[in-house]
Amino acid sequence: QVQLLQSGPEVKKPGSSVRVSCKASGGTFRSNSINWVRQAPGQGLEWMGGILPLFGTANYAQKFQGRVTITADEYTTTAYMDLRSLTSEDTAVYYCARVGVVAALRAWFEYWGQGTLVTVSS
Amino acid sequence: DIVLTQSPGTLSLSPGESATLSCRASQSVGSSYLAWYQQKPGQAPRLLIYDASSRATGIPDRFSGSGSGTDFTLTISRLEPEDFALYYCQQYGSSPQTFGQGTKVEVK
Repeated sequence: QVQLLQSGPEVKKPGSSVRVSCKASGGTFRSNSINWVRQAPGQGLEWMGGILPLFGTANYAQKFQGRVTITADEYTTTAYMDLRSLTSEDTAVYYCARVGVVAALRAWFEYWGQGTLVTVSS
Repeated sequence: DIVLTQSPGTLSLSPGESATLSCRASQSVGSSYLAWYQQKPGQAPRLLIYDASSRATGIPDRFSGSGSGTDFTLTISRLEPEDFALYYCQQYGSSPQTFGQGTKVEVK
C-alpha cells in the first residue's frame, strides 16, 4: 500500500521561498513519477510539474518554469517541491501525487498526499 | 495546452438518481488518456476512473466512464449520499497535463 506523507503547513512572506516534502512508503519509489498539483482556495486543480526518480529529470508546467524545482531523493524516498519568489497568488494547498504506471512521465494520479497549505502573506 | 471544459458546473440531484458529467477537450487527448477524480471538502482528490473507462481499485461499479478523443462522460448510477462531491477530469495525453474546472454534484 503506497502512502505519501507531506510536510506541515507553511506561512511565508512575499518574495520568499518554500519547500514542501513528500515522503513515500510502499511500492518502488524510483519507478513511478511523483507530481505536484496545487489548489488555490475555492479553485480547481493545477499541475505544476513532476519527476521520475528512475531518470532523475523533472518536467514543469510553463507557468512555473524558472520558479519551481522538483527533486527526488531515492535514499530517503522523499520528493521535494521548491517554489521561489512567492506572491499572495501562490497561497494554495499543494499536493504530491504518484502516477499509476511504471516508468511513465504522464499518467493518472493513483496516490495522493494529504496536502500542504502554503499561505503567503505579509 | 489542452483545455478541458466540464459541464454542467453544478448538478442538483437526489439520492438514488443518476448523474451524467461531461468533459470536453479542446483537442484530442490521444486515444483515452483521461481520468476522473472525486474530491470532498478538506480532502485530497481520489482517483475514480483512468484511461477513460477503467475503474480504479476499490471504486464501486456505479461509477463508469466512457468516451474517447475529445468527449468523455462520467456516469454515476444510483447516487449514494457519499457521492455528493466535486468531480474533476484530467488529461494526460499531452504535456502539460491539465484538469477541468470541476462539476459539483449537490443534493437537490
